[in-house]
Amino acid sequence: DIQMTQSPSSLSASAGDRVTITCRASQSISGYLNWYQHKPGKAPKFLIYAASSLQSGVPSRFSGSGSGTEFTLTISSLQPEDFATYYCQQSYSTPYTFGQGTKLEIK
Amino acid sequence: EVQLVESGGDLAQPGGSLRLSCVVSEITFSNYAMSWVRQAPGKGLEWVSTISGSGSSTYYADSVKGRFTISRDNSKNTLYLQMNSLRAEDTAVYYCAKARGRFGDLDYWGQGTLVTVSS
Repeated sequence: DIQMTQSPSSLSASAGDRVTITCRASQSISGYLNWYQHKPGKAPKFLIYAASSLQSGVPSRFSGSGSGTEFTLTISSLQPEDFATYYCQQSYSTPYTFGQGTKLEIK
Repeated sequence: EVQLVESGGDLAQPGGSLRLSCVVSEITFSNYAMSWVRQAPGKGLEWVSTISGSGSSTYYADSVKGRFTISRDNSKNTLYLQMNSLRAEDTAVYYCAKARGRFGDLDYWGQGTLVTVSS
C-alpha cells in the first residue's frame, strides 16, 4: 500500500497569512494527488485534483504543485472560512490512501 | 447541484450487520464510479470501497474485505454498503462520494451517516 504523510499535523496561522502544507508519498504516484478540505459535521470538499488542477468553484487562493512523491498545497491569503482540516489523497492505485490530515487553526 | 444523501447508520452489536444507502441526484448515476469513505471518531479519512459505474468492478480496503459488500442500483440512483461481521473498529461516520472521472478522485460527498458498533 502507498503511505501518504502530511506535514505539519497542525498549523496556527492568521487571516491573510500564506500557508503551505506538504504531502509525501511512500512511492511515486506520478501526479495522481488530490486535496480535500474538511470541517466538523460537514461533507469533505474537493479542492484540487491531479496535483495542481483547481476544482470548479474553488477560490484561486488555493493552489497545488508537485509530482512523483512530493506535493504541496498553498493557500495564498487565508480567509476565515479556510480554517479546517486538509487531507491529501493518492488516486494512483487502490487502496486510495489519505494523509493523516493537517488541522489549520486560527492563531 | 449534485446531491448525495446517506442513510442506514445505526447502533449495531459486534458481529452484527447493517446496510447503508446513498441516494444520488442531478447526475447520470451510471456514468460514474462511487465510493465509501469513513472517519472514525477523532481520526482521519479512510477509503473503504469503490464500485465502477456499471457495477462490474469493485475494490475494497483490506480492513473490510470479506465483510463488506459495495453494490449499486442504477435504476434507483442508489449506492449501497452491506456491512457484516461488524467490529468495534468499524465505528465511524460513513460518507458516500462520487468519482470525478478517475475512480479515486472524489468530487462530491454526502453529509455522512454514523455507524456505532457496541454491545
